[in-house]
Amino acid sequence: ELKVEQNPLFLSMQEGKNYTIYCNYSTTSDRLYWYRQDPGKSLESLFVLLSNGAVKQEGRLMASLDTKARLSTLHITAAVHDLSATYFCAVLDRGSTLGRLYFGRGTQLTVWP
Amino acid sequence: GAGVSQSPSNKVTEKGKDVELRCDPISGHTALYWYRQSLGQGLEFLIYFQGNSAPDKSGLPSDRFSAERTGGSVSTLTIQRTQQEDSAVYLCASSSEAATQYFGPGTRLLVL
Repeated sequence: ELKVEQNPLFLSMQEGKNYTIYCNYSTTSDRLYWYRQDPGKSLESLFVLLSNGAVKQEGRLMASLDTKARLSTLHITAAVHDLSATYFCAVLDRGSTLGRLYFGRGTQLTVWP
Repeated sequence: GAGVSQSPSNKVTEKGKDVELRCDPISGHTALYWYRQSLGQGLEFLIYFQGNSAPDKSGLPSDRFSAERTGGSVSTLTIQRTQQEDSAVYLCASSSEAATQYFGPGTRLLVL
């Protein structure tokens, strides 16, 4: 079974600082997602990464994918309080365009002034 | 447009009772998924429907859990003889051929 590991699980950072969340997965996949979840809310899709070397950016968040290393990163630039949330990476079975997602345990991000 | 909707938003039940959770996917989405989110287990896949194909039930934790999807649209997840360990948030998602899964707001189930 595909395993997905995220780290760190908890991240407390000051506004204006940069940090990176890591997502490793155990078997080959060429489709990786990042989701955001606010407390008491559902999951919001942030990025989908489809190929090796893919990079996507939205505001202060940038996601990348290295399929050879089975690693994705979510980089936070100049954090602001509004980014406080839990971030999940999720990986799809190789060769699937539709199918079950395997989730990491999530990174709970708190940004303080 | 309308997103994925789920009902009820909250459900409190007594141990041993049956519950039904409903999911309305985004119109036109062919695939529908159920996941469970709990403190100890994170996000777990339960079941996946794709068009008219047989569902992937590999994530259902026991035979007390079942799901159906009628007319390729609405889905119902049924939990029979609920146990306290079934307490969790049950999330439904749907996707089209583009494959990003869009999640509903979830049903928070508490079994007393």
